[in-house]
Amino acid sequence: KQEVTQIPAALSVPEGENLVLNCSFTDSAIYNLQWFRQDPGKGLTSLLLIQSSQREQTSGRLNASLDKSSGRSTLYIAASQPGDSATYLCAVSLMDSNYQLIWGAGTKLIIKP
Amino acid sequence: AAGVIQSPRHLIKEKRETATLKCYPIPRHDTVYWYQQGPGQDPQFLISFYEKMQSDKGSIPDRFSAQQFSDYHSELNMSSLELGDSALYFCASSLKQATGELFFGEGSRLTVL
Repeated sequence: KQEVTQIPAALSVPEGENLVLNCSFTDSAIYNLQWFRQDPGKGLTSLLLIQSSQREQTSGRLNASLDKSSGRSTLYIAASQPGDSATYLCAVSLMDSNYQLIWGAGTKLIIKP
Repeated sequence: AAGVIQSPRHLIKEKRETATLKCYPIPRHDTVYWYQQGPGQDPQFLISFYEKMQSDKGSIPDRFSAQQFSDYHSELNMSSLELGDSALYFCASSLKQATGELFFGEGSRLTVL
């Protein structure tokens, strides 16, 4: 059974720092991996999608990497800003499930001004 | 660009009442997913539809039912509501033959009193 773990559960850093959020999964037979952002009580905003054949994706100050063989993904946020404060969730799409997502519990990120 | 539209955004019901949530996927997307996210929890997969047919079933209670209509919009029907049904309900859509990326709506917040 696929399990997704995110470490740390919470992270607080000063504004301007670079940071890394971690996501690990137990079964490497994934179709893709997505990183989402969720503000309190709000919807899920897709940040980056990495296909299983890819190693990384970049969007602005965000860079996500994928090492499928070791079951790990990282989300790198450069030059953090207070507006980056949110919960970040990673989710893997199973190979034979019409893209059903298995979610991590998220990392709650606080960027201090 | 058009996104996934969910309605209503907020809904308050009493125990044992019924509720219906609606989802309008991104145009030309052929797959719809429903997720339930309880307070402080990660989203849980309920059910999905591909081309108006149920494709996968997750942890959807027997009191809940869903369908996808000819115009591809989907409805989640919840009966005999319980306090524990209070949650944020997300709908997502994707195009099966594309990247497998799921696009989420803003969610419908159900509160059962």
